Amino acid sequence: AQSVTQPDIHITVSEGASLELRCNYSYGATPYLFWYVQSPGQGLQLLLKYFSGDTLVQGIKGFEAEFKRSQSSFNLRKPSVHWSDAAEYFCAVGARQAGTALIFGKGTTLSVSS
Amino acid sequence: EPEVTQTPSHQVTQMGQEVILRCVPISNHLYFYWYRQILGQKVEFLVSFYNNEISEKSEIFDDQFSVERPDGSNFTLKIRSTKLEDSAMYFCASSPGMAQETQYFGPGTRLLVL
Repeated sequence: AQSVTQPDIHITVSEGASLELRCNYSYGATPYLFWYVQSPGQGLQLLLKYFSGDTLVQGIKGFEAEFKRSQSSFNLRKPSVHWSDAAEYFCAVGARQAGTALIFGKGTTLSVSS
Repeated sequence: EPEVTQTPSHQVTQMGQEVILRCVPISNHLYFYWYRQILGQKVEFLVSFYNNEISEKSEIFDDQFSVERPDGSNFTLKIRSTKLEDSAMYFCASSPGMAQETQYFGPGTRLLVL
């Protein structure tokens, strides 16, 4: 079955500390991989995506993610967290075909402490 | 930068009433989607739409739901007879319909069924 697992429901990080949010997926074909961020009361903003090529991808707001095929993982990282990064983060996978569904994980809520 | 827009941002309705949620996809995009997010749960795919036809739908998208592109810019989701469990955030998304597809999401409509 196709699924996305985000093992951490809630993470608290000190401002300035590094961050890693975990994402594991199960997908029959080679997927496209995405991270979206949702601030309170807002929609889903695309942070970054992986289609092919370099397994380390850079996104907006200083985020990066690394695709590891052997581990079926696509973890999101940021070297130094800012208070404005507090939000909910969703990992998603999709097929390499337009018009198909994205499958989302349950999300990880990030809190940033000062 | 082009954005997906959705109206209304919030809607309250009585159980059994019909509601229409509206979306304006990004203008040169060919594929349109609806997702929903029940409070505290993951984002779930409902339906995708291309060339005036449903491209893919989930088991959630039953006969109570319908989608339409009534003109060249709008994309609507109709719920014929709302139930309490239809209370959720509904997201519209669009994608260009080309290689390395990315879905861009609107800000959502918060639907509350009483």
